[in-house]
Amino acid sequence: ETGVTQSPTHLIKTRGQQVTLRCSSQSGHNTVSWYQQALGQGPQFIFQYYREEENGRGNFPPRFSGLQFPNYSSELNVNALELDDSALYLCASSWDRGDEQFFGPGTRLTVL
Amino acid sequence: AQSVTQPDIHITVSEGASLELRCNYSYGATPYLFWYVQSPGQGLQLLLKYFSGDTLVQGIKGFEAEFKRSQSSFNLRKPSVHWSDAAEYFCAVGPITGTASKLTFGTGTRLQVTL
Repeated sequence: ETGVTQSPTHLIKTRGQQVTLRCSSQSGHNTVSWYQQALGQGPQFIFQYYREEENGRGNFPPRFSGLQFPNYSSELNVNALELDDSALYLCASSWDRGDEQFFGPGTRLTVL
Repeated sequence: AQSVTQPDIHITVSEGASLELRCNYSYGATPYLFWYVQSPGQGLQLLLKYFSGDTLVQGIKGFEAEFKRSQSSFNLRKPSVHWSDAAEYFCAVGPITGTASKLTFGTGTRLQVTL
């Protein structure tokens, strides 16, 4: 059974650019959640997707958007990147919306 | 609003010594509580969770945690630490419902183990 995978591992962008991060959920999981972990901080909830629809959102601006595909993989898109967006972005999948979340290794985004 | 406080940013223990990592939470209802571990360059791995029932919860790798409602605490313990336990530890709180899950994490405690 394959766990949660994320791509790319590392990414460097400049301020104002747009970025797309990808997540493949664990087999059988229909729910994906995204978290942002700034350096020295705990992860912060961005949003959750359940069966291709957004199912809850944290305190992040609209330039953070997401997508979930029919195979339950997911993308996180960030527009108009700011320096403070530099962080580790974690994806977690679960069997259903209220179930235990299994985390991927994360994507390290650096904004210059 | 829910919140989690981990008062210890960094803890150093000797291998073989006992360990206790503190976690205090603020939540309006019965919380769902979790402890995760993160090694460098890795994602989060769930050590244990508390939903209801017995307030002493056993987890993986020999860890346990005790839920104390009166103190709003969920401290993580291990009787004998191994060098491989060196990592960052995060406490998190729900809500977890049938229709949504949103974890709120503390800022973490970095554990260093000396030989």
